[in-house]
Amino acid sequence: GAGVSQSPSNKVTEKGKDVELRCDPISGHTALYWYRQSLGQGLEFLIYFQGNSAPDKSGLPSDRFSAERTGGSVSTLTIQRTQQEDSAVYLCASSSVTNEQFFGPGTRLTVL
Amino acid sequence: AQRVTQPEKLLSVFKGAPVELKCNYSYSGSPELFWYVQYSRQRLQLLLRHISRESIKGFTADLNKGETSFHLKKPFAQEEDSAMYYCALTSGTYKYIFGTGTRLKVLA
Repeated sequence: GAGVSQSPSNKVTEKGKDVELRCDPISGHTALYWYRQSLGQGLEFLIYFQGNSAPDKSGLPSDRFSAERTGGSVSTLTIQRTQQEDSAVYLCASSSVTNEQFFGPGTRLTVL
Repeated sequence: AQRVTQPEKLLSVFKGAPVELKCNYSYSGSPELFWYVQYSRQRLQLLLRHISRESIKGFTADLNKGETSFHLKKPFAQEEDSAMYYCALTSGTYKYIFGTGTRLKVLA
């Protein structure tokens, strides 16, 4: 089937606005991850879901960031009151018991 | 603390030269180690993992538990190897830790 998909592919928003980023994992993958990829910063872990629960939220940079996953499938990452430092590529990945992570194409967020 | 260190942000080599991308890790248990690669305008994808002991696109990586290293090597670099490379580890409990990445540039 299809790989991990993310939408939108690009998002330009004004400082202070809220944004929602969506991730559609590979069907049957129980684990889902969100990362942030910034120039020179590599991959920054944000949050991990196992099914619908998030046992590890340790990477969320502030309380403006939240994420949910419903039905063990689609996940949304919400950033409230966006700041310019939130500009980055947000990557989603899913995995199954093999531990290999399958990545989506990412959402490039630009906060003006 | 669990950590993956890639000391080089950028590595430039000439085509046909050997290449080694360094990765060191800090982990108290028995982790599983991976190399992921991101080519220009493509998504991040798995290159190889230490348990499979495969050679992918001419790349190999050996897990050295004594030195806690998992360096990626290729004897003769090709221009198409130019990409961003990430070393990662997992403890098998879905917790993943990535390094900061090394950009490899293979010069003609």
